[in-house]
Amino acid sequence: GEDVEQSLFLSVREGDSSVINCTYTDSSSTYLYWYKQEPGAGLQLLTYIFSNMDMKQDQRLTVLLNKKDKHLSLRIADTQTGDSAIYFCAEYGTGKLIFGQGTTLQVKP
Amino acid sequence: EAGVTQSPTHLIKTRGQQATLRCSPISGHTSVYWYQQALGLGLQFLLWYDEGEERNRGNFPPRFSGRQFPNYSSELNVNALELEDSALYLCATKDRGAGELFFGEGSRLTVL
Repeated sequence: GEDVEQSLFLSVREGDSSVINCTYTDSSSTYLYWYKQEPGAGLQLLTYIFSNMDMKQDQRLTVLLNKKDKHLSLRIADTQTGDSAIYFCAEYGTGKLIFGQGTTLQVKP
Repeated sequence: EAGVTQSPTHLIKTRGQQATLRCSPISGHTSVYWYQQALGLGLQFLLWYDEGEERNRGNFPPRFSGRQFPNYSSELNVNALELEDSALYLCATKDRGAGELFFGEGSRLTVL
């Protein structure tokens, strides 16, 4: 069945790079997404990648996709305290987004 | 340009009542997705509407229903409310040919 897995927690120092990893199972996924959720808020779309791409870079964000291993990662360069939030990866296929459990990113000053 | 808007922001109901939540998509978006985010359960897919039709449904009982209007806005109805329906209900919209899928800020439903 469809499943998306993420590690639950990541702690980094301000200024370091953060790498959040995600694995998925649906090989028919067309798009893969990264969302950010701050307390009490909705989901903010950070970036997405089409399934036939390997990499996408957008300012401080770099997404890497290994389709063979069904592995997706989000790298945040120069992580700031304002990046502290829950990050969700999601795959889109068969008319719905399937989300991972979310990774809580803690940024220490 | 306005983003995805949801109303009401907060809603308090008692068990057995009905709740109606609304979603207005970004201009040009024809697809609307509804998700439930309950504490400890993550984001669960509820419904997908596109061009006025229900296209996909998650593993929820029939008392969760909805519709999409000709202007592509959407309504989610939850009948016979139960305590465990307390959650943040999120709506997302998408242009069928594009990749971006944007969420609203959600409607927080509390069932007492």
